[in-house]
Amino acid sequence: DTEVTQTPKHLVMGMTNKKSLKCEQHMGHRAMYWYKQKAKKPPELMFVYSYEKLSINESVPSRFSPECPNSSLLNLHLHALQPEDSALYLCASSQVSGETEAFFGQGTRLTVV
Amino acid sequence: AQSVTQLDSHVSVSEGTPVLLRCNYSSSYSPSLFWYVQHPNKGLQLLLKYTSAATLVKGINGFEAEFKKSETSFHLTKPSAHMSDAAEYFCVVRGYSNYQLIWGAGTKLIIKP
Repeated sequence: DTEVTQTPKHLVMGMTNKKSLKCEQHMGHRAMYWYKQKAKKPPELMFVYSYEKLSINESVPSRFSPECPNSSLLNLHLHALQPEDSALYLCASSQVSGETEAFFGQGTRLTVV
Repeated sequence: AQSVTQLDSHVSVSEGTPVLLRCNYSSSYSPSLFWYVQHPNKGLQLLLKYTSAATLVKGINGFEAEFKKSETSFHLTKPSAHMSDAAEYFCVVRGYSNYQLIWGAGTKLIIKP
């Protein structure tokens, strides 16, 4: 199984809503990532978890709150978002060390209204 | 610092003709390099990777890339384009941290019938 599964595929939320994005992988990878991708741009790294601990936070606003409940799951909790946060949110996973590639999910298309 | 430059924002070819997507990198040490493809409204899929083994790397769907250290290039090629190849292609170099990927701006490949 080389899949990273993200749910939901699409999400529309108001600026006062609280919602969560979910990501799951069963490849035994111990590094998991959240990326944000705006239209016609490359992905931008938001967070990295290594062995279920937050390893990198790329100065992301606190209205985005990541969580890694176990080695297979990664969540991104959303609260009080702004319209400019509308984007494709991608989850990825990889081995922690070695010359390894990242495997990406299909993404969640988020629209903030 | 590592960086990557994709020399063309758009490439247009006719179906059945060769494809060349150009990528130059900058790295202070032997790099790990990747090509990812993203079809419209989809996630990212790894096409191929270079990790200091053979300089000619073969990937999925008939794509290949050649690592040329003297030219600091990692161009992506395919002998014969197919309509299904129409997508955005990203050249990526691994950063200093094993978790960080440095992305090119992307090249949109357009296939004319």
